[in-house]
Parts: sequence; structure tokens; C-alpha cells
Amino acid sequence: GDSVTQMEGPVTLSEEAFLTINCTYTATGYPSLFWYVQYPGEGLQLLLKATKADDKGSNKGFEATYRKETTSFHLEKGSVQVSDSAVYFCALFIKAAGNKLTFGGGTRVLVKP
Amino acid sequence: DAGVIQSPRHEVTEMGQEVTLRCKPISGHNSLFWYRQTMMRGLELLIYFNNNVPIDDSGMPEDRFSAKMPNASFSTLKIQPSEPRDSAVYFCASSPPVRDGPYQPQHFGDGTRLSIL
Repeated sequence: GDSVTQMEGPVTLSEEAFLTINCTYTATGYPSLFWYVQYPGEGLQLLLKATKADDKGSNKGFEATYRKETTSFHLEKGSVQVSDSAVYFCALFIKAAGNKLTFGGGTRVLVKP
Repeated sequence: DAGVIQSPRHEVTEMGQEVTLRCKPISGHNSLFWYRQTMMRGLELLIYFNNNVPIDDSGMPEDRFSAKMPNASFSTLKIQPSEPRDSAVYFCASSPPVRDGPYQPQHFGDGTRLSIL
């Protein structure tokens, strides 16, 4: 079946550090890929997406590139802020599988001042 | 625009009681999802509806859980009887119709934090 694997957290880093969260997937079809972010006390919200190979999604300084050859969609940010402290979820969607997302386990990120 | 609205935001009740969680999706969205989030199990999809019809309820943990969507603007998730292990944050999400265009992302509510004593 379809699945998403992301690095376990928590990831703790200092402000202005470089952040990478690894995400790999297995899928029976050609998925669209997403990163969602969950701030404390809130629901998930879409951070960025990529719908085909080599697409780069970007938003709020975060980037992720759809790598079909390595089945990966790693999230990066060059200089994190305290406000980036959150849980990040990688997810995939395959239309033929119905209108639902397959989520990874989430990675908690804590940015210290 | 109003987002997905869930109520209550917090619920504390004793085991054995019936619990009803409510969700109002975004107007025009035709898919609705119920999730449960715990530290141990992460984010789990319980059930989802398309055009008010349950499509996949394979994530519903057991018969104590039931979900309904009587119309396009309202859904409930009910637990009867509730148990301490049901304590979690329950999220509702909705998404627009998936036609031939690109996928439309799910929009999440802020969740209901449920504590069963």
C-alpha cells in the first residue's frame, strides 16, 4: 500500500540554523506530494505542494523538490525562526486511491532563540 | 471566509458517557474527513465522506464510534460509550471537489481536545 516515512523528531535547533526534514514515500501510482504544518493548538495547514517530478514547492521560506528517482520530498529552510516551531507532516495523494491523503508520522521541530 | 468549524474545542467527560463531536465544513466543499491525533499513534484517518456518503470507514476503531453526515454543512462523530483510551485530539477537515484538475488540499479545523476520565 501507499506510505510515507519521515524522520522522527524532535528536531531541536537554534534560530537562523538550516533545517532539513527527510521524507520518502512508496506509492502504487503517480502521487502528488505535500507538506503540512501544525502549530501548537491548531489544525494542520498546507505549507507547500508539488504535483509532478522535479517540481519545487515553496512557501514562507520553505522548499521541497519532488524527486521521483529517489521517491523523496525533503523539506528545507535556510534560516529558521522561533515561529517555525511546529509539527511538520509529509503527505501524498493518489487520485485513483480516493479523495484522501496518506500522512507520515510527523516531525516536531523546536527552534530555540 | 470561515474555515472548518469544530465544536466543542474541549470536552472532558467520564468514561461510559456518550460524546458527540461536531463539524461544519467549508461551504462548497464536498469531502469531509475525521482524524484522530495522539502522541502514541500520530494522525489517523477515521472516516471520510464524499457528497455526504461514507466512502471509507476502515479507520474507525470499533463499533463504539459512529459518524454521520446528514447534509453538506454538518457532520458528527459520536463515541458511545466512551473510554479513557479515546482521549485524543479529533480533527475534522474538508476539501473541494476533485475533478480533472489538480488536487485540492484539505482544510483542517482547530480540533476538539477530548479527555475521558
